[in-house]
Amino acid sequence: QKEVEQDPGPLSVPEGAIVSLNCTYSNSAFQYFMWYRQYSRKGPELLMYTYSSGNKEDGRFTAQVDKSSKYISLFIRDSQPSDSATYLCASHTGTASKLTFGTGTRLQVTL
Amino acid sequence: NAGVTQTPKFRVLKTGQSMTLLCAQDMNHEYMYWYRQDPGMGLRLIHYSVGEGTTAKGEVPDGYNVSRLKKQNFLLGLESAAPSQTSVYFCASRVRGGSLTGELFFGEGSRLTVL
Repeated sequence: QKEVEQDPGPLSVPEGAIVSLNCTYSNSAFQYFMWYRQYSRKGPELLMYTYSSGNKEDGRFTAQVDKSSKYISLFIRDSQPSDSATYLCASHTGTASKLTFGTGTRLQVTL
Repeated sequence: NAGVTQTPKFRVLKTGQSMTLLCAQDMNHEYMYWYRQDPGMGLRLIHYSVGEGTTAKGEVPDGYNVSRLKKQNFLLGLESAAPSQTSVYFCASRVRGGSLTGELFFGEGSRLTVL
């Protein structure tokens, strides 16, 4: 079992929809949680990060962590075609030098 | 503003051939990483380095070797390529300590096909 599990999709939504992307993790030591966005044929780029449980909002994006259920979520409001990409969740303990990635969810926002 | 640069971007090899992927970063980062990305498998860590002259094994190190002779460069070698090593390879770097966000800066990837 991978330490971070993520539904690979693909997920297709119409423009303007609210998108919910989710991950689960198994390592209780994880303290930092990140979402990376990867456009086709490009390297991943950090989109958002959160520490421990709670919500963090940045424009149309909200990252949410529930440590009690080991659940990580990314919500995208008013989705745009430019949001079409693969979204990868990642976690680390804060002391480890390595991040653990989910497999990524491919999102397609259609006109 | 180069960031992380990978060369070559594309390469086709025959089984048994050897090659080296070069990663260069100009951000003075201590930590550097090599990942491979395959459909349905996500990013898997091959090897990483926490400083010049040091390397460590990641999740899938077999068949690969690395060297970090200079802080800005991290080389990934395939001594005898196999079709199972067909993949997209990403190099990444990050600063040590300081920021706890875990932000990795990635290169644009190197697409390797082994026939």
